Parts: sequence; C-alpha cells; structure tokens
Amino acid sequence: AQKITQTQPGMFVQEKEAVTLDCTYDTSDPSYGLFWYKQPSSGEMIFLIYQGSYDQQNATEGRYSLNFQKARKSANLVISASQLGDSAMYFCAMREISNTGNQFYFGTGTSLTVIP
Amino acid sequence: DTAVSQTPKYLVTQMGNDKSIKCEQNLGHDTMYWYKQDSKKFLKIMFSYNNKELIINETVPNRFSPKSPDKAHLNLHINSLELGDSAVYFCASSQDREQLSGNTIYFGEGSWLTVV
Repeated sequence: AQKITQTQPGMFVQEKEAVTLDCTYDTSDPSYGLFWYKQPSSGEMIFLIYQGSYDQQNATEGRYSLNFQKARKSANLVISASQLGDSAMYFCAMREISNTGNQFYFGTGTSLTVIP
Repeated sequence: DTAVSQTPKYLVTQMGNDKSIKCEQNLGHDTMYWYKQDSKKFLKIMFSYNNKELIINETVPNRFSPKSPDKAHLNLHINSLELGDSAVYFCASSQDREQLSGNTIYFGEGSWLTVV
C-alpha cells in the first residue's frame, strides 16, 4: 500500500482564492509527522508546514494551514489567498520513527497553477 | 550559509562514464539521504545513512554507491552511466531523534544529471 497518496495530479485556482490540496497517509505507528513541501519551477524543495500525530490543533504557517483529520488519515494543505508565486509542485510527506531511524515517505505531488 | 549544499548543480556526461555528486550539510544532522526525482517528478529514496547504518533501496542498481567520509558529507558515485540515469538528484538531511517526529528533512538544491 502507498504510504502517501496525493490524488490530484494537477490543480488550478484563481488568484486570491483558497485551494485545498489533498493528502492521505497510511501508517500503523502512533507517532508520526506530516509535512508539506513546495517545489517551484526552479527546482528546490521548500519546507512549508508540519503536523505531529499528537497535535490537537491544526498547524498553520501564514497562508498555509494543514487540515489534519486523524481518523480519516488525511492531511490536506489549504492555501488561502492564492498568489501567482504559489504556482508549483506540492509534495505531502510523512515521517515514521522506526527501529532503523527516520523513514520519510513522499507522495507523487500535485501541480498547482494559479490563474491571474 | 546553505544548510545542505550539493555540487555540481548541472552535469552533462556521456553514457558509460563514472561521475560523482558531492553533498555537505552544516546542520549537525546525523542522517543524510539521496533521492532521485524523475521526469514525472516522482521522488524516490535511494539511500539513507547515519553513523549507524546505511539503508539501501533495493531497487537502486549497484552502479550507485554512497560514500560518507564523515557525518557532514554523503557523496553519490555513479558508475557506467546510462541514459535512464538522467534525473535530478537531491541530497537531504535530518536529525534522527526518535521522540521528535517533527524533525523535518532539509533538501539541497538538486543536481541535474543529463546522460547523453
């Protein structure tokens, strides 16, 4: 089974609108971390936001928020007030802590295009 | 100061050649990684390494080998390059603390390898 599933290969959003990028995960570990990364066309991977499995509140970082629904095993990224510079690939990732150390798993990504 | 730096950023080489990509991190992290990102943007873990263990993705050809002279460096050696090796290779690092699932993974800027 896929550890991280991103079902939206591509998304479009109008500038200044909000957009939700979907992410579901699969783990049996009680302790794990969920992350979102942005990859613009220049190629670098930029860390956006983190949610811990024990966190009671949804994580927020500026215009980014993570809609964490633990029972559904989903960790959707919400970008509010989209800007043209938000056009990029977005990757959801999960960190499990195992006997062998860190295990990071990445989804297949969602390409977001912000339309002026 | 760049946290995770890798060189070269661009590399064009002929089939059959042997090449290396260097990676250094100045974050004091104890775990380093190599990822391959193909033309479809899929991120695939190749290796993870800390001072305890090298974990190799079994699907990686043995033409690829990581070399870690010390905790801050993890270089990638590729022998007998093939056309299918053309991709972006990302070095990354994280701190492997079992209780802190929030320790994120930091990426280098990527090395664009083109095999002709």
